Amino acid sequence: SQQGEEDPQALSIQEGENATMNCSYKTSINNLQWYRQNSGRGLVHLILIRSNEREKHSGRLRVTLDTSKKSSSLLITASRAADTASYFCATVGDSSYKLIFGSGTRLLVRP
Amino acid sequence: DVKVTQSSRYLVKRTGEKVFLECVQDMDHENMFWYRQDPGLGLRLIYFSYDVKMKEKGDIPEGYSVSREKKERFSLILESASTNQTSMYLCASRGAGGLNEQFFGPGTRLTVL
Repeated sequence: SQQGEEDPQALSIQEGENATMNCSYKTSINNLQWYRQNSGRGLVHLILIRSNEREKHSGRLRVTLDTSKKSSSLLITASRAADTASYFCATVGDSSYKLIFGSGTRLLVRP
Repeated sequence: DVKVTQSSRYLVKRTGEKVFLECVQDMDHENMFWYRQDPGLGLRLIYFSYDVKMKEKGDIPEGYSVSREKKERFSLILESASTNQTSMYLCASRGAGGLNEQFFGPGTRLTVL
C-alpha cells in the first residue's frame, strides 16, 4: 500500500522559479526521503529528514517535515531545465526495513 | 560511489517464458531490493534480501521468486511470464544499519507479449 501521496501530480514552471512539492503519509515514521527519477531511469536519493528534524537543506533543496500533520514538502529554488524529472517521497517506519513510496510529482522546468 | 547495475535496460519476452533479471552492487551492501514501477502506482516492493541466501516477501511477491547466492548479486525470476508483468523493474541496495537511503540501478523495462 502507498504511504506517501505527492501533490501536485504534475507541475510546470519557468526556469528560475521555485518548485514546491508536497507529500502526505499515514503512519508514524523514522525518516522521510526524497528521490528524483529522470525519465526511464533509476531513482537517485536527494535528501533524508529524520522524524525529530523539522527542516533540512542541501544545495538548492529545502525539505520540511511536520509530523503532527504527517506531511513534508520539497522546495527546489532557482529551478533549472535539468531539474525536469519525477520526484518521489518515501517513508521508513520505526521498525521497518521498507521504503514506502508515493506515486510521485512530475516536474517540468521550461527553459 | 555506489554502483548498482542491472543486466538489461530493455527486455522483450513471450508469455510463459522464464525470465531472469540480474542485479549487481559493488558496495558490499547487506540489503538488496526488487521493485516494480507502474504508472500511477509508484514503486512497489516485490522481494528483498538482507543477507546471502535470505529473502523476504514484499508487497507483491506473487508470480516472482528471487535468488541471492552471493552478496553482490540479487536475481529476480519470473517463472512463467505473463502480460501483467510488463513493467519497469528496479533493483536497489542499502548498507547495514537499515534506515538510510537506498541506491538504485538504472532499471529494466520488461515487455511480455
